Amino acid sequence: EADIYQTPRYLVIGTGKKITLECSQTMGHDKMYWYQQDPGMELHLIHYSYGVNSTEKGDLSSESTVSRIRTEHFPLTLESARPSHTSQYLCASTAGVGGRTYNEQFFGPGTRLTVL
Amino acid sequence: AQKVTQAQTEISVVEKEDVTLDCVYETRDTTYYLFWYKQPPSGELVFLIRRNSFDEQNEISGRYSWNFQKSTSSFNFTITASQVVDSAVYFCALSEAFRGGSEKLVFGKGTKLTVNP
Repeated sequence: EADIYQTPRYLVIGTGKKITLECSQTMGHDKMYWYQQDPGMELHLIHYSYGVNSTEKGDLSSESTVSRIRTEHFPLTLESARPSHTSQYLCASTAGVGGRTYNEQFFGPGTRLTVL
Repeated sequence: AQKVTQAQTEISVVEKEDVTLDCVYETRDTTYYLFWYKQPPSGELVFLIRRNSFDEQNEISGRYSWNFQKSTSSFNFTITASQVVDSAVYFCALSEAFRGGSEKLVFGKGTKLTVNP
């Protein structure tokens, strides 16, 4: 069973608010990911981290930002939420250091964000 | 670029029927891995299987089985004697090289399976 946690599970917030979605894992994984999942089910990679102090943008352009100060923690922040940010956000992590390890990703339960 | 196609957007079956979810992939890599994930209504993605490109043996796990055929670039998933609890969205994914020599998963668009009692 994967030990990866996301809070909050559900968030309804007004336009213009700053929000932070939390993601933590207790598996010691170096690689962590954020995905955005639209109502049509498709998953889009928006951020990626190789390890502490390393972050990369994903395939889908996102106004959100991420940080990786500790191995276990990978929060996502929206400085000013808008209705277009309404989506499900999924955090994942995978074992292995550097390079391609082909390991499976373990996913958190997701945060369903609604911006009014 | 790598690509994963799940042509079936939605499938609806009656309990105890067998059902096959199709997955076709495109890659130029000689070494690659394929995955299946299940996303129940609760929202989290649950890892089901990982298969490498050098192992074409079919795999069976309980009521689940997977058929990997490199000749047709397919990695299909069959549920035997489906149950209501199998209702979920199922994603097929392919590992792809990413920036800095690392990797990411390329997901198909998912197949929503509904098993009716």
